[in-house]
Amino acid sequence: NAGVMQNPRHLVRRRGQEARLRCSPMKGHSHVYWYRQLPEEGLKFMVYLQKENIIDESGMPKERFSAEFPKEGPSILRIQQVVRGDSAAYFCASTSELNTGELFFGEGSRLTVL
Amino acid sequence: AQSVSQHNHHVILSEAASLELGCNYSYGGTVNLFWYVQYPGQHLQLLLKYFSGDPLVKGIKGFEAEFIKSKFSFNLRKPSVQWSDTAEYFCAVKNQAGTALIFGKGTTLSVSS
Repeated sequence: NAGVMQNPRHLVRRRGQEARLRCSPMKGHSHVYWYRQLPEEGLKFMVYLQKENIIDESGMPKERFSAEFPKEGPSILRIQQVVRGDSAAYFCASTSELNTGELFFGEGSRLTVL
Repeated sequence: AQSVSQHNHHVILSEAASLELGCNYSYGGTVNLFWYVQYPGQHLQLLLKYFSGDPLVKGIKGFEAEFIKSKFSFNLRKPSVQWSDTAEYFCAVKNQAGTALIFGKGTTLSVSS
């Protein structure tokens, strides 16, 4: 399953800067999920997107966080004005249109906020 | 809100020992259940899943899990672990809306040779 590509793998930002994390789903997949993993915590659902649509963003913080999955190009998770508490591993997963529930994960992007 | 509980944070076993990792979920309706594994330095990958039918599900690498509806449980088992099973194991349930998987906090398994 090595098809879900995330970049950057590691990102360091200072407080107040912006972080952009990118995710290219597996070939043929049109559904993308973003999860966040904090130290000592499990994976927390953030958002579920299809091409050009946000289907479920119930796990997204109300401020500073946004996500998109344009018709062309990767999905992007954007965090504005980062704070230290945003330091975490952010995982992207994709699935096919059948949405059987099996998610294919990328290797994650680790954000460190100084 | 739906939730998933994994009882063991860290399990340490010797090779050939039997394994059982606990998982309980909170939702009482129709459930889709999963176990994922993350080997050191790798991405999460699916071990096995349960949607319906036989409550004893067999997955890859000799793992199996049993869905017990009355106990809201989906425990993962393996009769004889190997050093290569050292990894983090996550139990997950599909949410009621069918739009996401809800994961437990994970169990780290360390197997000594």
